[in-house]
Amino acid sequence: EAGVAQSPRYKIIEKRQSVAFWCNPISGHATLYWYQQILGQGPKLLIQFQNNGVVDDSQLPKDRFSAERLKGVDSTLKIQPAKLEDSAVYLCASRLRQVNTEAFFGQGTRLTVV
Amino acid sequence: AQKITQTQPGMFVQEKEAVTLDCTYDTSDQSYGLFWYKQPSSGEMIFLIYQGSYDEQNATEGRYSLNFQKARKSANLVISASQLGDSAMYFCAMRKGVMDSSYKLIFGSGTRLLVRP
Repeated sequence: EAGVAQSPRYKIIEKRQSVAFWCNPISGHATLYWYQQILGQGPKLLIQFQNNGVVDDSQLPKDRFSAERLKGVDSTLKIQPAKLEDSAVYLCASRLRQVNTEAFFGQGTRLTVV
Repeated sequence: AQKITQTQPGMFVQEKEAVTLDCTYDTSDQSYGLFWYKQPSSGEMIFLIYQGSYDEQNATEGRYSLNFQKARKSANLVISASQLGDSAMYFCAMRKGVMDSSYKLIFGSGTRLLVRP
């Protein structure tokens, strides 16, 4: 079974530029999450999708971050314009629609804003 | 509000010995779940073990076991017979939300484990 795929693995941009990350979840997984992991910290949830609908985006900085999940499969997360404090690893995760199942994570995209 | 606390930023253990990684949690929910994930230097989060709040027995998965003490709100991870490949960051996480649609994971700050040969 293929895992959660993310691209790119690494990205370096200048502040005020825009950037987009892509995630392909495990086939059949209805729930998809985007997490932000700042160096030395645990992952923080940015947004959660159930199929193609947003369930929770309460911690997403909506003035600069946006995300979509068209057709309930792939998802993209965009930052525009980027700030220095956005430097982090962005993790995508997916899971089956059952209460006690674990989430499967991709390898993440490491973003450096200079 | 739900919260996960991992008080050990870093731990050392000798190869082949056992090690316990601490995790305490705070929640007012009656139904919740606790997870442990391993994050090697490559970056992905690897699921290790799960404990449900109503599970009467401590969860075990191979060399991993979860010491669940509900009254103390602790869910410590025990790794037996440590191996060099166990060197990684370890995160404790709690499932927030009873309904499937609101299920999300809240993570602690992690513990970095280094296994010495």
